[in-house]
Amino acid sequence: DGGITQSPKYLFRKEGQNVTLSCEQNLNHDAMYWYRQDPGQGLRLIYYSQIVNDFQKGDIAEGYSVSREKKESFPLTVTSAQKNPTAFYLCASSMSGGSPGGDTQYFGPGTRLTVL
Amino acid sequence: AQSVTQLDSQVPVFEEAPVELRCNYSSSVSVYLFWYVQYPNQGLQLLLKYLSGSTLVKGINGFEAEFNKSQTSFHLRKPSVHISDTAEYFCAVGRIQGAQKLVFGQGTRLTINP
Repeated sequence: DGGITQSPKYLFRKEGQNVTLSCEQNLNHDAMYWYRQDPGQGLRLIYYSQIVNDFQKGDIAEGYSVSREKKESFPLTVTSAQKNPTAFYLCASSMSGGSPGGDTQYFGPGTRLTVL
Repeated sequence: AQSVTQLDSQVPVFEEAPVELRCNYSSSVSVYLFWYVQYPNQGLQLLLKYLSGSTLVKGINGFEAEFNKSQTSFHLRKPSVHISDTAEYFCAVGRIQGAQKLVFGQGTRLTINP
């Protein structure tokens, strides 16, 4: 089955530690995205990548880093510089990242990160 | 820049009643419009999208939405809801030109009571 997988589903981290969230897609999509979801705030874009070996900051990139070495993979690292990392993290992908727009973004099941 | 406002954070309705979830947007450029649904502890699933053409868009699970350019609205409707429609619903906009960064509203929690 084609889709997006995120692992792990639940993740616990001690303060001061970096942690990496996995996102893999087998949809052959060019573009991938990372969103953060907090209660009552909707989804906010952290980073996005329109093509392999290229990525751009979203609205809340501070304290996060990404890489896009392979088309199917877009891991997100939450660094110790992120002040309030406890949240639900969603990865998405779409067929293309540029115009013409309107491509549907398909979402993974999410990773819930809790900082202890 | 674009922004999205979902006018109701929570909407309780009885089963088989009609429902409308309201969404207003602001943008200085032309946009596409989307509605997504999120069931508890899951990712988002596309309900429907408006790209161009007819302003009434039909989606999955019996939902439909109407694009109103003059009122910059994209309200979601269903004539008769079921218990299984209990979920959080998100309205989103994306630019027609340029990178496909979606801007999401805050979400509306729809609760269906028997």
